[in-house]
Amino acid sequence: DTGVSQDPRHKITKRGQNVTFRCDPISEHNRLYWYRQTLGQGPEFLTYFQNEAQLEKSRLLSDRFSAERPKGSFSTLEIQRTEQGDSAMYLCASSLRTSGGNEQFFGPGTRLTVL
Amino acid sequence: GEDVEQSLFLSVREGDSSVINCTYTDSSSTYLYWYKQEPGAGLQLLTYIFSNMDMKQDQRLTVLLNKKDKHLSLRIADTQTGDSAIYFCAESIANDYKLSFGAGTTVTVRA
Repeated sequence: DTGVSQDPRHKITKRGQNVTFRCDPISEHNRLYWYRQTLGQGPEFLTYFQNEAQLEKSRLLSDRFSAERPKGSFSTLEIQRTEQGDSAMYLCASSLRTSGGNEQFFGPGTRLTVL
Repeated sequence: GEDVEQSLFLSVREGDSSVINCTYTDSSSTYLYWYKQEPGAGLQLLTYIFSNMDMKQDQRLTVLLNKKDKHLSLRIADTQTGDSAIYFCAESIANDYKLSFGAGTTVTVRA
């Protein structure tokens, strides 16, 4: 499978714990995005990387959230001291910088439940 | 602003055409996209249109863009039960790579 993969698919944690999610983009894609989706809503942008550089962060991304893409390939999203309001689906997408439509291809998501 | 709005629900009979509508507010939108999401799954890119185009057709899918009214639609011809899903409209703006999504339209195909 050469699509975007995410791990884990599901995570249940207790409030106050730290969690880390991983995203592996499509191999030749140099852009990687994180979105968050809550029930009944469309995805909301969190942050974006071009290669290893984090170029933009949403105001939704509080200080408890950190994302890395150390070698310009896979990325991790860490949430520290989780809160119940962090419960959501976390989606990763990747794209290839071309002169075309910057099509973003999404992974299956990691569903986080904070108890 | 980057608000994208969609109607929430659409019910269609199998074999009929579905039309899903979307409005956006940012006149500098460069590309507009349609994604499909099935239960428990990620988003599947269906098609996209550049803002200088009026129409794009791809097999059963037809996208119409009215830039003056900031209105986008997706027509699915010969709708099948496998088309039941949530459809999201999204926009991106030149030099700003993030996507702004609508809340999604839930399409239910009935026999």
